[in-house]
Amino acid sequence: DTAVSQTPKYLVTQMGNDKSIKCEQNLGHDTMYWYKQDSKKFLKIMFSYNNKELIINETVPNRFSPKSPDKAHLNLHINSLELGDSAVYFCASSQSDRPSYNEQFFGPGTRLTVL
Amino acid sequence: AQTVTQSQPEMSVQEAETVTLSCTYDTSESDYYLFWYKQPPSRQMILVIRQEAYKQQNATENRFSVNFQKAAKSFSLKISDSQLGDAAMYFCAYRSFGNQFYFGTGTSLTVIP
Repeated sequence: DTAVSQTPKYLVTQMGNDKSIKCEQNLGHDTMYWYKQDSKKFLKIMFSYNNKELIINETVPNRFSPKSPDKAHLNLHINSLELGDSAVYFCASSQSDRPSYNEQFFGPGTRLTVL
Repeated sequence: AQTVTQSQPEMSVQEAETVTLSCTYDTSESDYYLFWYKQPPSRQMILVIRQEAYKQQNATENRFSVNFQKAAKSFSLKISDSQLGDAAMYFCAYRSFGNQFYFGTGTSLTVIP
């Protein structure tokens, strides 16, 4: 069973389009995250979200928005895509109140290419 | 905010030899968790090893071990008997008491046959 899944794994689109990446976790975790990994492999946190709080990295453009229909899902919506949005996007989850085994579990990543 | 520094962008090691990847972090917290993640070319992020700050004993997972120096805020990863499959990007990560994660910039490890 896949713990954290993302769809699609690859996404190629034109500038100006709006797209979504879906993320689901079956671990029962209470916190989910979105990361952007650029071509230099730097991992940048974009959002973290649990039932109570959405924390947004202030450097993330407001064209990016997370949507959580329920505790197991955190989708990423991107409006008006730009060339600089090309990257690999990772979803992750963790459990906030567990003293051990509290690492983040990552999805397989979505490679977004904006043409 | 906490920062995590990996000062070695690239490292290489001969197969079967030992290599150490360095990581330092900055924090004012006393309780926190540290992790090393591996990202092979498949790009999947894989947990290698974890360390709780309140535990003085260094964590070990088979060929992987850490040297955790809390006072120095240092958390290095030692890979013994390196194998070709160890070639990957390695990320050091810090988890704060408030459940926020901070990642270093990564070290690209090459294993030479």
